[in-house]
Amino acid sequence: NAGVTQTPKFQVLKTGQSMTLQCAQDMNHNSMYWYRQDPGMGLRLIYYSASEGTTDKGEVPNGYNVSRLNKREFSLRLESAAPSQTSVYFCAGTRGGSYEQYFGPGTRLTVT
Amino acid sequence: GDSVTQMEGPVTLSEEAFLTINCTYTATGYPSLFWYVQYPGEGLQLLLKATKADDKGSNKGFEATYRKETTSFHLEKGSVQVSDSAVYFCALSSGGTSYGKLTFGQGTILTVHP
Repeated sequence: NAGVTQTPKFQVLKTGQSMTLQCAQDMNHNSMYWYRQDPGMGLRLIYYSASEGTTDKGEVPNGYNVSRLNKREFSLRLESAAPSQTSVYFCAGTRGGSYEQYFGPGTRLTVT
Repeated sequence: GDSVTQMEGPVTLSEEAFLTINCTYTATGYPSLFWYVQYPGEGLQLLLKATKADDKGSNKGFEATYRKETTSFHLEKGSVQVSDSAVYFCALSSGGTSYGKLTFGQGTILTVHP
């Protein structure tokens, strides 16, 4: 099993460009999450999907959109990248109930 | 709202020293509490958890006790190794739903020297 996978691992964008971060899991997770990690701020929830077909805003959703394509895949889109979105992005999943989240390896995004 | 506060870092120790990383929380209801660890270049992985007051979570020599009276979940290890060098995150989940949303502390960088 691959667990939780993310692509790409690294990305550099210019201000105003768009891109989609991909996340997939083969752990039969019902719920999936997107976080951003910034120095000294821990992880902050951007969006989450409690189950296939549903998505909700987290703590810092502005400038992002998400799609829960199916049970396995949950993508994060930046429509018009800004330097403030320079961060490391993590996808995570959980079966629910146990609350243990399994994390992907992260995508390091730089916006210039 | 929910919040988690960790001791300021970074923490630098010699091998075999005793480790404590403080964590306190604010939450409604009866949260579950977690410690996650992030090794360099990797995602987070669960280190230990406790789901109710007075529970002790333990794994790989690390321990933490859920103290409701002091709203704390301090991480301890009796003898650290160089391989324990990582970033440690305290987190909580307020429960009440099956969504498992986590609130994280800011993370504590631990460096262990030989």
